[in-house]
Amino acid sequence: DTEVTQTPKHLVMGMTNKKSLKCEQHMGHRAMYWYKQKAKKPPELMFVYSYEKLSINESVPSRFSPECPNSSLLNLHLHALQPEDSALYLCASSPRIAGGLSTDTQYFGPGTRLTVL
Amino acid sequence: AQTVTQSQPEMSVQEAETVTLSCTYDTSESNYYLFWYKQPPSRQMILVIRQEAYKQQNATENRFSVNFQKAAKSFSLKISDSQLGDTAMYFCAFMKQITGNQFYFGTGTSLTVIP
Repeated sequence: DTEVTQTPKHLVMGMTNKKSLKCEQHMGHRAMYWYKQKAKKPPELMFVYSYEKLSINESVPSRFSPECPNSSLLNLHLHALQPEDSALYLCASSPRIAGGLSTDTQYFGPGTRLTVL
Repeated sequence: AQTVTQSQPEMSVQEAETVTLSCTYDTSESNYYLFWYKQPPSRQMILVIRQEAYKQQNATENRFSVNFQKAAKSFSLKISDSQLGDTAMYFCAFMKQITGNQFYFGTGTSLTVIP
């Protein structure tokens, strides 16, 4: 199983709503990532979780709150978003080599298309 | 800091022909990985090919091959026998081998395969 799944595929929310994006992988990967991608642009890294601990936060506003309940699951909680937060949100995972060395290839999910009204 | 440059925002190629997408990068690291990812209009990022910097041999995956020139910091992707399904955005990416998981992406090349 080399699949990263994301739900929902599409999400429309108002600026006062609270919603969550979900990402799941069953490849035994121990590093998981959230990216934000605008149209025709490369993905921008938001967060990295390594062994279920937040290891990188790329100065993301607090209206985005990540959570890693276990090694297979990654959530992104959304609250009080702005219209400029509308984008494709990609999740990815990668295997972890013992000893903390870098983890090589990232496998991406299909993304959640978020629209903030 | 690492930077990745893709100087061709858009390219097109006739079906069955060969096309080369360019990528250059800047780093002071000696050990690293390079990747090409493809993102079709369906939007999922799919790994096309991967190269370890310590390997002199160029990676190949079926119709996809790279020309890796470490001294020149160049990592171009060649697509042979182009197919309509190759139409996509192609991103070149760099990752340091030691510590961190961060990918540095180029700005992408939009490739259109013309029937």
